[in-house]
Amino acid sequence: AAGVIQSPRHLIKEKRETATLKCYPIPRHDTVYWYQQGPGQDPQFLISFYEKMQSDKGSIPDRFSAQQFSDYHSELNMSSLELGDSALYFCASSLRAATEAFFGQGTRLTVV
Amino acid sequence: LAKTTQPISMDSYEGQEVNITCSHNNIATNDYITWYQQFPSQGPRFIIQGYKTKVTNEVASLFIPADRKSSTLSLPRVSLSDTAVYYCLVGVWEQYSNYQLIWGAGTKLIIKP
Repeated sequence: AAGVIQSPRHLIKEKRETATLKCYPIPRHDTVYWYQQGPGQDPQFLISFYEKMQSDKGSIPDRFSAQQFSDYHSELNMSSLELGDSALYFCASSLRAATEAFFGQGTRLTVV
Repeated sequence: LAKTTQPISMDSYEGQEVNITCSHNNIATNDYITWYQQFPSQGPRFIIQGYKTKVTNEVASLFIPADRKSSTLSLPRVSLSDTAVYYCLVGVWEQYSNYQLIWGAGTKLIIKP
């Protein structure tokens, strides 16, 4: 079965650079979530989208933005990267009415 | 928003049954209880979900008492590959908003041979 696809799997950036992470949800899923998980930390909810509209906002820094496109894929744009942004970034998708979210394998971002 | 409390870590042995209890005293009427498993550097994986009483699937059982202020994930006959972090989540369904997964501190389960 198709799963949530994230790209790239690994990314190394320098401080103050920008990064774009991509997420391709499971087909027919209408909701996408983004999470950040620092080393040894629990996942922190960043933002979610339903039907291409932002639906919930968590602890997403102002330097970050995200959107969901017409084909339901989502991109997380991160600017002015800081060392503390180094983390695993997970995308999850679900059907709006469902209570189970399926996670991708994550993108490991390292800021040097 | 409901918060959850779980043991930080647990040890067990292969072949044993493992029970992980989660407290969620402020659970709301519409909240579901969901458990995820996460291996290092991998995305969390859904295990089981319930609203009340008992739910069982091919990998686990979930016991929820009548007051729903706690829940217990039961893993039968664990193996070394069950070593992972287990998260108990209480689903928040807000009007005009999406189901938002609130992650608390998970339980690191270590299975020994």
